[in-house]
Amino acid sequence: AQSVSQHNHHVILSEAASLELGCNYSYGGTVNLFWYVQYPGQHLQLLLKYFSGDPLVKGIKGFEAEFIKSKFSFNLRKPSVQWSDTAEYFCAVKDAGNMLTFGGGTRLMVKP
Amino acid sequence: DTGVSQDPRHKITKRGQNVTFRCDPISEHNRLYWYRQTLGQGPEFLTYFQNEAQLEKSRLLSDRFSAERPKGSFSTLEIQRTEQGDSAMYLCASRGISPEQYFGPGTRLTVT
Repeated sequence: AQSVSQHNHHVILSEAASLELGCNYSYGGTVNLFWYVQYPGQHLQLLLKYFSGDPLVKGIKGFEAEFIKSKFSFNLRKPSVQWSDTAEYFCAVKDAGNMLTFGGGTRLMVKP
Repeated sequence: DTGVSQDPRHKITKRGQNVTFRCDPISEHNRLYWYRQTLGQGPEFLTYFQNEAQLEKSRLLSDRFSAERPKGSFSTLEIQRTEQGDSAMYLCASRGISPEQYFGPGTRLTVT
């Protein structure tokens, strides 16, 4: 069965710091990869997605993620975080099946 | 708003009671998913519909759980004889041809 690991459960950063959140998955075949974000009091929103092609994908609000197939990783990055980026971030993988498998999430707090 | 909607947003019930949740997907989406999310965890897949057909069920979906999508539009998730362990956020998502799923706000169930 597919599994997804997010290594950082809680991250605290100051504004303007750089962000990198790790995500690793277990399935060795073709995958679709996603990062979702959940702002306080809001529902899950799609941040960015990777299906194929350029392994560096750009999403909304200045986020990007890099797919490294050899490492089974899809890490999320942002060069300079803002207080409004405070949220919980979930990595998700779709393999040959229909469902998404999510990681446990990373709570990011950005201090102003 | 043309996003995924769920009703009710909150439900408090006593152990042993039955509850039913509703999900209205994005109108042009023919695929619908139910997930469950507990505190500190990522969403876990429960079941999947394509049009009115329930094509996949997780082993998490015990016999007390049943889901329907009678006309291929809205879906209901019923939990019979609720237990305290059923307390969670129940999320609905939908998708069209593209693999990304769009989530509703969820129904938070508390079993007392």
